[in-house]
Amino acid sequence: GAGVSQSPRYKVTKRGQDVALRCDPISGHVSLYWYRQALGQGPEFLTYFNYEAQQDKSGLPNDRFSAERPEGSISTLTIQRTEQRDSAMYRCASSFSLAGGTANYGYTFGSGTRLTVV
Amino acid sequence: TQLLEQSPQFLSIQEGENLTVYCNSSSVFSSLQWYRQEPGEGPVLLVTVVTGGEVKKLKRLTFQFGDARKDSSLHITAAQPGDTGLYLCAGEDDNFNKFYFGSGTKLNVKP
Repeated sequence: GAGVSQSPRYKVTKRGQDVALRCDPISGHVSLYWYRQALGQGPEFLTYFNYEAQQDKSGLPNDRFSAERPEGSISTLTIQRTEQRDSAMYRCASSFSLAGGTANYGYTFGSGTRLTVV
Repeated sequence: TQLLEQSPQFLSIQEGENLTVYCNSSSVFSSLQWYRQEPGEGPVLLVTVVTGGEVKKLKRLTFQFGDARKDSSLHITAAQPGDTGLYLCAGEDDNFNKFYFGSGTKLNVKP
């Protein structure tokens, strides 16, 4: 597609429910990143993929968070047993360059999914 | 933990004024990027600087990477209301894997 597409745009869920957030990167972008952004703050790294391989998940807060990108394109970030502290804007970004390479063209961010846990 | 500290946090100026925002860290970065973010949207890349001491200009915006690759500045000349937004710096870790973002400078340019 023309840009990074995230869905849903807004998600309200009850505490304890599982949620799945979807990211469709720009066609041809090989690396994909998940960030979480609090209001008025900079994005906080969660995890990233090169193609289908998850290279770094050091930013995932705990084992309730997981991510996959099975075919090297669309990615899903899943949060199990949601808690109120999980409420945030979840942003996906993709990049033409291979993360871990010496040239980085920067990220293209999606508009995010605003998750609210009530 | 914020590896990058940005200052000031908030800046409100009149159209036509000049301004500088800063991005500082105790860590060395392989490269550093500046993004601008508008409400409800994702950050948009403005520039990437790679070499210590590097200066890049983008119309009225001037970006500088510190000699030691630990800090950076963004200078805007003759600010316009369209410059309003959240300015984020992001430093690339030394494995060239990912970027760490600062907390941002929220700029408001009044007409």
